[in-house]
Amino acid sequence: SQQGEEDPQALSIQEGENATMNCSYKTSINNLQWYRQNSGRGLVHLILIRSNEREKHSGRLRVTLDTSKKSSSLLITASRAADTASYFCATSRNSGYALNFGKGTSLLVTP
Amino acid sequence: EAGVVQSPRYKIIEKKQPVAFWCNPISGHNTLYWYLQNLGQGPELLIRYENEEAVDDSQLPKDRFSAERLKGVDSTLKIQPAELGDSAVYLCASSLDGGLYEQYFGPGTRLTVT
Repeated sequence: SQQGEEDPQALSIQEGENATMNCSYKTSINNLQWYRQNSGRGLVHLILIRSNEREKHSGRLRVTLDTSKKSSSLLITASRAADTASYFCATSRNSGYALNFGKGTSLLVTP
Repeated sequence: EAGVVQSPRYKIIEKKQPVAFWCNPISGHNTLYWYLQNLGQGPELLIRYENEEAVDDSQLPKDRFSAERLKGVDSTLKIQPAELGDSAVYLCASSLDGGLYEQYFGPGTRLTVT
C-alpha cells in the first residue's frame, strides 16, 4: 500500500522558477525520503530527513518536515530543464521496515 | 563504486511463458528489495531480504512469483507463468538498512507480456 501522497500530481514551470512539491502521510515515521526518477530510469535518492529534524538542505533542494501535520515539502530553487522528472516521497516507520512510496509529482521545466 | 546492476533491461515475452530477472546489489548492502512499478505509480514492494532471509514477502503473489537470494548477495526474481497484467517495470534496490538509510536503485527491467 502507498502511504505517501504527493501534491500536485503534475507541475509545469519555466526555467529559473522555484518548484514546490508536497507530501502527506498517515502513520508515524522514523524518516521521510525524497527520490527523483527520470523517464525510463531508476530512482535516485535526493534527501533523507529524520522525524526529529524540521528542515534540510542539499544544493538547490530544501526539504521541510512537519510531523504534527504529517506532511513534508520539497522545494527546488532556480529550476533547470534537467530537473524535469518525477519526484517521489517515501516514508519509513523504523529499522526493519520497507519504504512506502507515494504516486509521485511529475515536474516539467521548460526552457 | 558500482551501483545496483540489473539484467535484462528489457524483456518481451508471451503470456504463460516464464521470465527471470537478476539483481546484483551494492557491495556490503545487506538489505535487498524488489519493487514493481506500474506506469504513473510509485514503486510497490514485492519482497525484502535481510541477507539470505526473506523478511517481508507479504505483497509477493506466491502462486506465480518466486525469489531467491543465494549467499546473501545476488538475487533472482521469477514469474511463472507470466500474465498480461505483469507488464511493468521491476526495480531492485539495496541499502545498509532501508528503514533508516537511503536505498539505491538499479535501472529496472521493463517487462512486456503480450
